[in-house]
Amino acid sequence: QSVVTQPPSVSGAPGQRVTISCTGSNSNIGAGHRVHWYQQLPGTAPKLLIYDNINRPSGVPDRFSGSKSGTSASLAITGLQAEDEADYYCLTYDSSLSGSVFGGGTKLTVL
Amino acid sequence: QVQLVQSGAEVKKPGSSVTVSCRASGGTFRSSAVAWVRQAPGQGLEWMGRIIPVFGTPQYAQKFQDRVTITADASTTTVYMTLTSLSFEDTAVYFCARDSDAFDVWGQGTLVTVSS
Repeated sequence: QSVVTQPPSVSGAPGQRVTISCTGSNSNIGAGHRVHWYQQLPGTAPKLLIYDNINRPSGVPDRFSGSKSGTSASLAITGLQAEDEADYYCLTYDSSLSGSVFGGGTKLTVL
Repeated sequence: QVQLVQSGAEVKKPGSSVTVSCRASGGTFRSSAVAWVRQAPGQGLEWMGRIIPVFGTPQYAQKFQDRVTITADASTTTVYMTLTSLSFEDTAVYFCARDSDAFDVWGQGTLVTVSS
């Protein structure tokens, strides 16, 4: 069980907007530690989607956006496309554990 | 742009150890840390530990504290992760990643299979 929780699954139709939450505590997200988001396609290494809560690396479409408030963070995907179907993970640092922690992951299904 | 190249797949017996390497190609780690992450079949990502190669001081996740050793050879820009006392539950893909708080560059992954 991770100290940072994500919904196991979300789904949406093409063109719709979906959000994935990442809920932590005052020892990680609430302590001001930055949140990063990853997309993982089957059989591949994770790909950085959002870093430092809200920033997109070059090449990541602006359909992907990140936000953070209090002890939670969110990843929003607008204009959902079939190729967005993947697993998504949040990553942050936990002061109590003195290490990085991943959320449990969320499987996105495009209907 | 630096790429991380990992060593090949391994098959190990229960109770043995495995060492996976991660080499920086086309650049160096500079002052960034290198993290190790594993993913068991059908499971999520799990942080194991990190090292800053230029300093050589590792940091480990509590879960792996007694069984993992991460070392770095700064002259060859290679980082190593050794996991001991392997059990079937250690069957997983092991990734290295450049850690500048965000893990922005990843190795291709190394499958370690523990089988009798």
